[in-house]
Amino acid sequence: DGGITQSPKYLFRKEGQNVTLSCEQNLNHDAMYWYRQDPGQGLRLIYYSQIVNDFQKGDIAEGYSVSREKKESFPLTVTSAQKNPTAFYLCASSFEDTEAFFGQGTRLTVV
Amino acid sequence: SQQGEEDPQALSIQEGENATMNCSYKTSINNLQWYRQNSGRGLVHLILIRSNEREKHSGRLRVTLDTSKKSSSLLITASRAADTASYFCATVTGFQKLVFGTGTRLLVSP
Repeated sequence: DGGITQSPKYLFRKEGQNVTLSCEQNLNHDAMYWYRQDPGQGLRLIYYSQIVNDFQKGDIAEGYSVSREKKESFPLTVTSAQKNPTAFYLCASSFEDTEAFFGQGTRLTVV
Repeated sequence: SQQGEEDPQALSIQEGENATMNCSYKTSINNLQWYRQNSGRGLVHLILIRSNEREKHSGRLRVTLDTSKKSSSLLITASRAADTASYFCATVTGFQKLVFGTGTRLLVSP
């Protein structure tokens, strides 16, 4: 089955820790995206990548980092510099300017 | 900042009624898309309209785009309780940047 997979579904982070969220797609899409969603809010763009080994900052990149070493994978690291990381994180991929396909999300909580 | 602002923020209607949501955006776009999100889940694509199109239909959905006003609307006809969800517009600008609006929460009561 083709699709986009995020893991884990739930993640707990201690203060001062870095954590990495996984996003994998087998749709052969060039573009991949990371969004943050706070309760009752819209999606805010963190980072996006149009091609392997290249990525651009979105509107709220501070405290986050990404890599795009493979077409299929676009992991997001939430660093200790992100002061308020508790949120729902969504990954998406798309082919050129067509519809985006979303993963089921990772809910990150700071404990 | 959000590219799109949606109006209303929340909408409550009865089954069988039509629901209209509006989206305004700030910059030139390649296309505009509408998505649906059920609570706590990922988003599902509904419809895409390109910058050179003015209207598009898909089943009970009708989307319009007015690039001179930088606005779009989504009409859901004959709403059902199962249409209850949040609806988001999203714009694609240069370099495949996909930016979402603030969303409209739709509640359809039986």
